[in-house]
Amino acid sequence: AQSVTQPDIHITVSEGASLELRCNYSYGATPYLFWYVQSPGQGLQLLLKYFSGDTLVQGIKGFEAEFKRSQSSFNLRKPSVHWSDAAEYFCAVARRESGGSNYKLTFGKGTLLTVNP
Amino acid sequence: GAVVSQHPSRVICKSGTSVKIECRSLDFQATTMFWYRQFPKQSLMLMATSNEGSKATYEQGVEKDKFLINHASLTLSTLTVTSAHPEDSSFYICSATQRYEQYFGPGTRLTVT
Repeated sequence: AQSVTQPDIHITVSEGASLELRCNYSYGATPYLFWYVQSPGQGLQLLLKYFSGDTLVQGIKGFEAEFKRSQSSFNLRKPSVHWSDAAEYFCAVARRESGGSNYKLTFGKGTLLTVNP
Repeated sequence: GAVVSQHPSRVICKSGTSVKIECRSLDFQATTMFWYRQFPKQSLMLMATSNEGSKATYEQGVEKDKFLINHASLTLSTLTVTSAHPEDSSFYICSATQRYEQYFGPGTRLTVT
């Protein structure tokens, strides 16, 4: 069964510092991987996704993520964090239902990012 | 593009009543929509898959008679929480899908008193 692990429940960084949020997945086939951000009381916004090709993907708001098949990881990075980046971040893997055409998402438990001034 | 709306954004209802939540894809057609539930400080739990023109499929442990889903058109799915109880209080989020990409609504906060 597929699973997504985000080892860090809560991370605190100073504004301007670099950021890396970890994500490991377990999935038998080639994964479709996503990072979403959620502000309090809001829905999810897609930051970036990986389907195939270049393993370093660029997203919105200056975020990037690198797919490493050998490590089953898809870590999210940002070189300089802004106070507005404070939010909850979710990593997800899309899986195709057997015999069906739907792709369902399995989410990690999320990492809460706090940014200190 | 790919905007999904939910209505209402917040609802308070009395125990025993039913509440309907709408999910609309505003600028694209979605044959499949998903309904999630999110408890405070937790991840999203998939409740059911809503397919236009057919019955919804529910995840294990989700009561289909309590959470009624109707996907009446390619742009609208509704979730009705029937005979709501305080334990149904939660944040409900829908998504509309185009192949393997899901676009999320802003969520509906349900409080049952």
